[in-house]
Amino acid sequence: NAGVMQNPRHLVRRRGQEARLRCSPMKGHSHVYWYRQLPEEGLKFMVYLQKENIIDESGMPKERFSAEFPKEGPSILRIQQVVRGDSAAYFCASSPPRTGAGETQYFGPGTRLLVL
Amino acid sequence: SQQGEEDPQALSIQEGENATMNCSYKTSINNLQWYRQNSGRGLVHLILIRSNEREKHSGRLRVTLDTSKKSSSLLITASRAADTASYFCATGSDNYGQNFVFGPGTRLSVLP
Repeated sequence: NAGVMQNPRHLVRRRGQEARLRCSPMKGHSHVYWYRQLPEEGLKFMVYLQKENIIDESGMPKERFSAEFPKEGPSILRIQQVVRGDSAAYFCASSPPRTGAGETQYFGPGTRLLVL
Repeated sequence: SQQGEEDPQALSIQEGENATMNCSYKTSINNLQWYRQNSGRGLVHLILIRSNEREKHSGRLRVTLDTSKKSSSLLITASRAADTASYFCATGSDNYGQNFVFGPGTRLSVLP
């Protein structure tokens, strides 16, 4: 059973370009979470999605950032018109259908975004 | 804020010694989890302890939870150089929605 997969592992963009980060959850998992980790800091929640639904986007910046989890295919975190401050590691986690709050989340290896 | 706070921020010990890391949080929780992150890698889930549990073991790991003090501790016994990593606690709560809240982590260095 493959774990959570993210690609690309490393992404370099110039200011103003778009960044697309992909996340394939573990088999059987229908919940996806995106987190951002700035250097020397802990993870910060961004968004929680189920298939075709955004459940909680309270941690997502209001502009330039969007996320989706289509019926088919991976979850996508999209950052438009990137700025240097977007440079960070972006982690995706998945969990099975919830039976209660806060079930175990399984993390992918992360995508390290560098904005030049 | 719901956020867990790990203490100490950095810890350096000799191989074979025990390492204890603490986590404090501010509001009621359903569970608390500990994760490890090796440099440049993703997070690895270590252990989950529910709010009605007081202690849990997994191999060389022992986690305690004191809901009255809103704190948890992670003990790694007989540490190894391979335990060198950052350790994060994350709290899960109905009140906070479906996501976890992570603290800034404890950076553990185990010296050979």
